[in-house]
Amino acid sequence: QKEVEQNSGPLSVPEGAIASLNCTYSDRGSQSFFWYRQYSGKSPELIMSIYSNGDKEDGRFTAQLNKASQYVSLLIRDSQPSDSATYLCAVMGYSSASKIIFGSGTRLSIRP
Amino acid sequence: DAGVIQSPRHEVTEMGQEVTLRCKPISGHDYLFWYRQTMMRGLELLIYFNNNVPIDDSGMPEDRFSAKMPNASFSTLKIQPSEPRDSAVYFCASSEQQGPGYNEQFFGPGTRLTVL
Repeated sequence: QKEVEQNSGPLSVPEGAIASLNCTYSDRGSQSFFWYRQYSGKSPELIMSIYSNGDKEDGRFTAQLNKASQYVSLLIRDSQPSDSATYLCAVMGYSSASKIIFGSGTRLSIRP
Repeated sequence: DAGVIQSPRHEVTEMGQEVTLRCKPISGHDYLFWYRQTMMRGLELLIYFNNNVPIDDSGMPEDRFSAKMPNASFSTLKIQPSEPRDSAVYFCASSEQQGPGYNEQFFGPGTRLTVL
């Protein structure tokens, strides 16, 4: 079992709709969770971080964390063509020596 | 701040040659990370440093790979000798601290390495 799992996609969503991206992780001790966006040929860019159970909203983005289910998700409201990218879920343990483990990413395509 | 700086942006070399990738982290960041990204394996952590000291190099694939951080503003990743399977995009990232609430990593533009 991979430490961080994501559906590779592609996930196709019509413009203006809500895109829902999901991620599960295997380490119950994980404490920090991130969503990175990566455009083709570019480097990963942090868009959301979440550390406690529940929802965290930032503009059109909402991150959701459920530690009991070992599940983290990203919702993108009012999807735009510019949101088309690969979204990487990343998870980190508690200690300062912990590494961030990245999922393989979900490719999102917003169709006009 | 200019962000994380990497050089070169592209490198094409022949099998058996030595390759050196360079990274300048964001000023004031205590942690520096080297990643490799391929279609097959995704984004893999190779090694990371804290205050110029290597903390975890368990991701370094073989003895052909080595990394150094002689000072807070410079790190190198060296591959010697290079092989075609080393072809990938190599990213350097830095973060201010590690621990809950402080692990946001900022990535450089990457070096695309092609070994013929």
